[in-house]
Order: sequence, then C-alpha cells, then structure tokens
Amino acid sequence: GDSVTQMEGPVTLSEEAFLTINCTYTATGYPSLFWYVQYPGEGLQLLLKATKADDKGSNKGFEATYRKETTSFHLEKGSVQVSDSAVYFCALSDFTSGTYKYIFGTGTRLKVLA
Amino acid sequence: DAGITQSPRYKITETGRQVTLMCHQTWSHSYMFWYRQDLGHGLRLIYYSAAADITDKGEVPDGYVVSRSKTENFPLTLESATRSQTSVYFCASGRTDNEQFFGPGTRLTVL
Repeated sequence: GDSVTQMEGPVTLSEEAFLTINCTYTATGYPSLFWYVQYPGEGLQLLLKATKADDKGSNKGFEATYRKETTSFHLEKGSVQVSDSAVYFCALSDFTSGTYKYIFGTGTRLKVLA
Repeated sequence: DAGITQSPRYKITETGRQVTLMCHQTWSHSYMFWYRQDLGHGLRLIYYSAAADITDKGEVPDGYVVSRSKTENFPLTLESATRSQTSVYFCASGRTDNEQFFGPGTRLTVL
C-alpha cells in the first residue's frame, strides 16, 4: 500500500545552516506530494506541494522536488532561522481505483539554535 | 471569519460515552477531512467528505461516525469511546482534494 517515510528527528541546527529533511514514498498511482509544518499547539499548515514528476514546490525559502525515479521529495532550505523550529510532515495524496488516500509521514522535529 | 474552527478544544470523557467533535468552516470548501494524530503515527485519515451528504472512510474509520448535512459542518462522533481513541483530532477543509487547511485541533482524553 501507499506509504511515506521521513527521517527521524529531532534535527538540531545552528541559525543560517543548510537544512535537508529526507522523505521517500511508495504509491500505486500517481500521487501528489506535500510538505506541512506544525508549530506548537497549532494545526498543520501547507508549506509547499508538487503534483507531478520533476515539479518543484517552493515557499518561504523552502523547496522540494518531486523525484519519481528515486520516489523522493526531500525538503531543503539554504539558511534556517530560529523561527523555522517546528515539526515538518511529508505527505502524499493518491486517488486510485475509486479510493482516496492521504498519507502522512510521522514528522521530523526541527530545532534551530541562535 | 475564523476560517476553520473546532470545538471543543479539550475534552475529557469516560470509556463508553458518546462524544461529538465539531468542525465548522466558513470558506464553503467542498472537501472536509478528519484526522487523528498520535505519537509515532503522524496523522491518519479517519473520514473525508467530498461534498454535503457524501462521506467516505479513510485509513482508520472503526469506532467513528460522521455526517455532513451542510457544507460548512462536519461533526465526528465517537459512539462508544475507548481509551485507544485518546488522541488529538484535526479537521481540515479544501476546495479540492489536493488542498487542505487545518483547524487548531481537539485534544481528547478517554479515561
């Protein structure tokens, strides 16, 4: 079945460091891929998305490229800030054979130190 | 004009009781979703709805009931609460199935 695997956290970085959070997926159809961010005590917010292979999603300095050949959608940011500290979720949506699926990874906690 | 709201934000109940969690959105989005968030599992889809009067099961529907008589409301009912249903519940809505805006969540504890 469909699944999303993302790297275990927590990830601790110094301010202005480069960020990569790995995400790989398995899917039976042609999924759309997403990154969400969750700040403490809040719901998830969509960070970026990509709907087909080779698409690059970007927002607020974050970016991720839909790589069908490696079934990956890694999140990157060139220079993190303390305000980026949060939990990041990779997710996919897939509508195959009349069944809708929206699968989330388990989340990666990012802590950025000043 | 809060967008998407959930009530209550916190709820403590006892095993066997019926509990209803409310979700209301003001955007007239067609799609609405219910998830539960548990440590080590991320978010798991319980039910979703593509429009009023249309609902379908997600990954973990057992023990839950939903209805959607109006576009803006999507209540989730636990007919007979169990301890395993202790979780944080998130409602979401979207114009399409590829777009989801999440509510603030309801933290439910079943004793």
